[in-house]
Amino acid sequence: ETGVTQTPRHLVMGMTNKKSLKCEQHLGHNAMYWYKQSAKKPLELMFVYNFKEQTENNSVPSRFSPECPNSSHLFLHLHTLQPEDSALYLCASSQAQGNYQPQHFGDGTRLSIL
Amino acid sequence: SQQGEEDPQALSIQEGENATMNCSYKTSINNLQWYRQNSGRGLVHLILIRSNEREKHSGRLRVTLDTSKKSSSLLITASRAADTASYFCATGGNSNFGNEKLTFGTGTRLTIIP
Repeated sequence: ETGVTQTPRHLVMGMTNKKSLKCEQHLGHNAMYWYKQSAKKPLELMFVYNFKEQTENNSVPSRFSPECPNSSHLFLHLHTLQPEDSALYLCASSQAQGNYQPQHFGDGTRLSIL
Repeated sequence: SQQGEEDPQALSIQEGENATMNCSYKTSINNLQWYRQNSGRGLVHLILIRSNEREKHSGRLRVTLDTSKKSSSLLITASRAADTASYFCATGGNSNFGNEKLTFGTGTRLTIIP
């Protein structure tokens, strides 16, 4: 599955650092998603963007700041993170119109907070 | 919550045998999807079944849905070593924005023994 590309694949950062995760999709989709995947827990939806507009913020702490400059790119800006934020962050995209649309995932960024 | 819960959490079988995984959920849905995740990779969409369907096939995959019991099963026939992965069910509900808001379970870890 190469339609959704995430960079970097791995990121180690201190709690006081500022970094950004990037997601790019080449599928012509107009909905994009950020998920958090932690061990032993269900995949957690963080943010949803439709046609560049944020339509869902699932009570995510403000230390996570998403940005969607266009329908093909999605960023997650990170600052002052906590050790419990260590996880795999997955980006996904889908068609925005109509239900029954599967989501296409990138391979994720493995984030470790020191 | 529409959270899906997979059962069993882990399953090991011999290559060539059939693998069955189950998913239960709590509220009404309009569709249920199954995804696969290989180690260190993103999720890959396998199959979608609508709430008015009872069974669906795709290659070696067979999915059933029982909305009265709020449960689904995924059957993989004639398993192969390459089927080793985690399998997740995701329930889809109506979204105000036309796209899917999926809720994932914790997954079943399937190991195929050569």
